[in-house]
This record gives sequence, C-alpha cells and structure tokens, in this order.
Amino acid sequence: DADVTQTPRNRITKTGKRIMLECSQTKGHDRMYWYRQDPGLGLRLIYYSFDVKDINKGEISDGYSVSRQAQAKFSLSLESAIPNQTALYFCATSDIPGYTEAFFGQGTRLTVV
Amino acid sequence: QKEVEQNSGPLSVPEGAIASLNCTYSDRGSQSFFWYRQYSGKSPELIMSIYSNGDKEDGRFTAQLNKASQYVSLLIRDSQPSDSATYLCAVKEGNNNDMRFGAGTRLTVKP
Repeated sequence: DADVTQTPRNRITKTGKRIMLECSQTKGHDRMYWYRQDPGLGLRLIYYSFDVKDINKGEISDGYSVSRQAQAKFSLSLESAIPNQTALYFCATSDIPGYTEAFFGQGTRLTVV
Repeated sequence: QKEVEQNSGPLSVPEGAIASLNCTYSDRGSQSFFWYRQYSGKSPELIMSIYSNGDKEDGRFTAQLNKASQYVSLLIRDSQPSDSATYLCAVKEGNNNDMRFGAGTRLTVKP
C-alpha cells in the first residue's frame, strides 16, 4: 500500500458541484500539503498544514478549502467547482524538521465540465 | 512573490551524454533544495536534495548549489532513455515554510 493515498484517483464533476478530495498517510508526518498541477505551470501550492490545528493558505487558495481531520488525514474541497479547476491534484507530506523532502500521493485527476 | 524558475525545455540529449538542468530562485532565505523526477501522469519522486554550497553526487546524478548566485543545477551523466521525464526543482525557505516548485524541464534522451 502507498504511504500517501489519495481518493478518488479520477473524477469528473459538473460546474457548481461540491467535491472533496481526500488524502491519508501512514508515514506519521505532521506536515501535509495540497498542490495542483497544470501543464506548463508546475506544482502550485493550494493549502498546507503543519498539524491538526494549523492550516495555512498557499499561493492559489481561492475557491478551495481544507480540513485536517487528524494527523493522517487532510481533505481538499471545492465548494462550487468551475472548469478552470480542472487539473491534476497532489497531496504531499513531509517530516519535521522542514528540511526534509516531500512525499507525494498518486494524484487525483479532476475534470470539471 | 517567491519565484523558482526553470527552462521548460524540451531538452533533448543523445543516450550516453550529460544532461544539464538549471534552476534559479528568488528568495535568498531559501535553505533546502530538491530535484524531483516526474513521469507523465505520475507523482513526483525525489532524485536529489542539497543544502550546502557545492556539489553532491549520487550515482549518475550530481546536484550543484550556489547560494550567492541563487542557482541550483542537476547533472545527469550517461543519460539513458529511462531518464526521459520532467524534472522539477523545489525550494524550501526553512523549517516553517512551504515548498515551492518550478514549472519543470522536460528531458528527452534519444537512443
């Protein structure tokens, strides 16, 4: 089993629908991240969390919200999906101290029609 | 705005050649630097990390860091077709900061 698991792996949804992407990890890391990837734009940070009580906005948080339900679980929600949120979404974790690498989930391909 | 810049490529090299990938960053407080490899449709996987000025070698890969010039590079020696992928440069400022990625350089190694 993967250390960082994302569900669903693929999702097609309609404009205006609410959708949640889930991430769970077995690495025991405190830090979790949500990124989106678009062709030619690399990975852009949406939200990150350093522990259950700490949530921080990344560079592109508008239109998204997150919930850190437990150390191992970090969910990303699109309250009202729009077509330009079509992208590949990655969850990642990292350990303390912050010098360590990030470990990525398999990704969720989201299409908003 | 903290920026991490990479040439998007594509970079094409023949099999057996040296591939050179470059990255510049804008935040002088950056302390941790990473190179990830990403195959199409897959998640990024770590190739190298480097924290101090100079070179760090791991097999066919060498990472080079110059903090004064805000520059980090990745050299791939004896390039193989299996090295064909997008290479992402990532930068972290310190313990309590997020990881910022460049847009990636697409590398093709031709047999």
